[in-house]
Amino acid sequence: DQQVKQNSPSLSVQEGRISILNCDYTNSMFDYFLWYKKYPAEGPTFLISISSIKDKNEDGRFTVFLNKSAKHLSLHIVPSQPGDSAVYFCAASAITGKLIFGQGTTLQVKP
Amino acid sequence: ETGVTQSPTHLIKTRGQQVTLRCSSQSGHNTVSWYQQALGQGPQFIFQYYREEENGRGNFPPRFSGLQFPNYSSELNVNALELDDSALYLCASSFGTDPRGQYFGPGTRLTVT
Repeated sequence: DQQVKQNSPSLSVQEGRISILNCDYTNSMFDYFLWYKKYPAEGPTFLISISSIKDKNEDGRFTVFLNKSAKHLSLHIVPSQPGDSAVYFCAASAITGKLIFGQGTTLQVKP
Repeated sequence: ETGVTQSPTHLIKTRGQQVTLRCSSQSGHNTVSWYQQALGQGPQFIFQYYREEENGRGNFPPRFSGLQFPNYSSELNVNALELDDSALYLCASSFGTDPRGQYFGPGTRLTVT
């Protein structure tokens, strides 16, 4: 039972354009949603999170949108840079701190 | 301030053997969570230790066990290794159980042959 899904295994965008990564979830009890970035041979690095009581959170070039009725969240990166090329994981958590991850989306930003 | 470290980086074991993986948490952190990441998948929660006590467990059999020590470092033990246990094992440390505060180590790549 995959509670968090990232249906796009990969995404390629041009430098300077917007990258939009999507994530769907099934459990309405999740209270936090998080995005992690992972480079090869490194552990995931926390990027940005959003509480279930909000619908948008911004941090610099990164914005996360939450649509609770659709059980959908998205990460927008504007403008995209070649250094953003990595695997992006969406994760969700209930109060326990246990993170449930999606399968990941590999983002390639072309110069 | 040192980050989360894991050892060893890689190891190869034979089916049926036992393995111990180690994690040193970031300074000031009292919680360690372990995750298994199979190839092409996202990390899957194995269990969490908070102040030396198990504080939640994912859908993994009892042959996956753990420990947290008084200095908050942690071990993951896997008995009777199976081929499907081949994966990247990640630990994450945090202060308390806030999911936003988890810092991941680089992982241990386990190959079971």
